[in-house]
Order: sequence, then structure tokens, then C-alpha cells
Amino acid sequence: EAGVVQSPRYKIIEKKQPVAFWCNPISGHNTLYWYLQNLGQGPELLIRYENEEAVDDSQLPKDRFSAERLKGVDSTLKIQPAELGDSAVYLCASSFGIAGGTLDEQFFGPGTRLTVL
Amino acid sequence: KQEVTQIPAALSVPEGENLVLNCSFTDSAIYNLQWFRQDPGKGLTSLLLIQSSQREQTSGRLNASLDKSSGRSTLYIAASQPGDSATYLCAVKGGAQKLVFGQGTRLTINP
Repeated sequence: EAGVVQSPRYKIIEKKQPVAFWCNPISGHNTLYWYLQNLGQGPELLIRYENEEAVDDSQLPKDRFSAERLKGVDSTLKIQPAELGDSAVYLCASSFGIAGGTLDEQFFGPGTRLTVL
Repeated sequence: KQEVTQIPAALSVPEGENLVLNCSFTDSAIYNLQWFRQDPGKGLTSLLLIQSSQREQTSGRLNASLDKSSGRSTLYIAASQPGDSATYLCAVKGGAQKLVFGQGTRLTINP
């Protein structure tokens, strides 16, 4: 069974440029997560989708970040314009995700390492 | 606000030793706790998930325990091997359905 797929794996851009990351979750997983991980830190949640609905986007900087999951399967995270401080690893995860359930193991993709110059 | 702390931040031990990694959290109202492994430049690999009603889970040489009342979990690794070298992260899931991560423990097993 394929795991969570993310692309690209690496991206280098200049500040003020736009950038987009793509994620395809494990087949059948209803819940999709985008995390940001700074060097030496644990991941921090940016947004959580249950099917097509963004049910928690409280940590997403909405002035420059946007995300979509139009058909409830794959998802795109966009930054426009990028700033130097956005350099980090962006991780996507998915789970079978019954809301409120305790059996809710999250599976992570390899991440996209973004460098903003 | 849930806070998760992992101590130590780094640990280096000789091959073959048994070791314990620690994780503490401030809010005991959790649904589950998950231990992950992260290799350099890679994503996270789930090792063990403990539901709030459970006390421990085992997988091979790994054993994770959970004491909700004291806000603590431990990950025990038996007979450590160089391939166990990685960063180990614990994360708790609370009422907001959000995983809150610790900063991780960077483990090095010396041959």
C-alpha cells in the first residue's frame, strides 16, 4: 500500500515569490493534515481537513497561506508571497480519522523542504 | 494550552544497552499518545499509539507506557542497535483533535 505522497521534496525560491506543495494521502483516509516543522522542533499543525472541509485552520497564517482539498482526496498548500521565515519543512499526514475516535493513527509523508532566499 | 516536553534533548549510548525516553504533557485530558521516529531529512514514522484507556503498547523491542494522571509517557528500547539512531518524537491528541508534539529526543547508538 502506498504511503502519503508529497511533491516536490525540495524547493528553493526567492522571497516574495509564490510556492505550492502537493499531497496525496493514503487511499481511504478521510482526514488530511498539513504541518510545519522548523529545525530542531516538533511539527505544528497548520490545517486539518475532514474530507473537503477545513475543520481546523486556526494556525494557518491566512494573509499569505492558503490550502484546498477540492475533491476530498489530494490537497495543495500555497504560500504567496513567501518570506524568509517560511523556510522550513512542510509535512502532510493522513488518518482514517473518525472524529473523536481514539484509534486515529496519523501517517506522514516525507515532507517538502522549503528554502526562501 | 497543551504543552509536551521531552527530556533529554539528546542521548548517546553504546550498542546493546536498554534505554528509556521520556515525554511529559501538561493536560491529562487526552485521547491518545503517539510515538514517532524521524530520520534526518525524512518524514515521521509512527512507532506506537496508546489510547487513553491503555497503560502500554509493545512492538518488537519497543514498549511505550502511559500514565495519564501524572502526564507522563516513556518509550523503552531494548537491546539498542545503531539502526535505532534517529530523533524520537511524542505527540498527544487532546480535545481539539490536534496532535501536539514535543521537540524530540535525538538518539545516537554507538557501535
